[in-house]
Amino acid sequence: NAGVTQTPKFQVLKTGQSMTLQCAQDMNHNSMYWYRQDPGMGLRLIYYSASEGTTDKGEVPNGYNVSRLNKREFSLRLESAAPSQTSVYFCASSEAGTDQETQYFGPGTRLLVL
Amino acid sequence: AQSVAQPEDQVNVAEGNPLTVKCTYSVSGNPYLFWYVQYPNRGLQFLLKYITGDNLVKGSYGFEAEFNKSQTSFHLKKPSALVSDSALYFCAVSLRTGFQKLVFGTGTRLLVSP
Repeated sequence: NAGVTQTPKFQVLKTGQSMTLQCAQDMNHNSMYWYRQDPGMGLRLIYYSASEGTTDKGEVPNGYNVSRLNKREFSLRLESAAPSQTSVYFCASSEAGTDQETQYFGPGTRLLVL
Repeated sequence: AQSVAQPEDQVNVAEGNPLTVKCTYSVSGNPYLFWYVQYPNRGLQFLLKYITGDNLVKGSYGFEAEFNKSQTSFHLKKPSALVSDSALYFCAVSLRTGFQKLVFGTGTRLLVSP
């Protein structure tokens, strides 16, 4: 099993450009998450999907949209990138989203917005 | 609001010596507590978690953590550090509210010298 995969690994955007970060998991998990990691701030939850067909805002959703395409895939879209969105983005999944479960993380996408 | 504090940005220890990475939390109610490790250019990997029961939790790679409710702490420990333990360590908390939303600390960089 590949676990959680993310594409691309690295991306450079200009301010105002749009892009979609892709995430897929092959563990048959119901719940998926998007985080951003910034120096000195740990990981912060952007959006999550408790189950296929549902999405909800996390701590820092502004400037982002998500799509739970199917059970395997959960994408994150930046409609008009800003330098403040320069970050490392991690996708994660868990079996059912209950609060004692372990989350499994992808390798991350490093995004630079100029 | 729930929060997690990792008071040390970096911990330095010599190989073979015991190590401790500190974590304190602030939540209302009984938390679930997690430790994750991040190696360079990789996603987060699960180390261990406290759900209930024995306050001493054993995890992967010889790590353990002690839950102390009176001190609201969940420090990560290992009796004998390895150079390969050098990484970024994150403590996280999840409230028992049904769906999991992890709140992460800011991370502690562990540097084990030969």
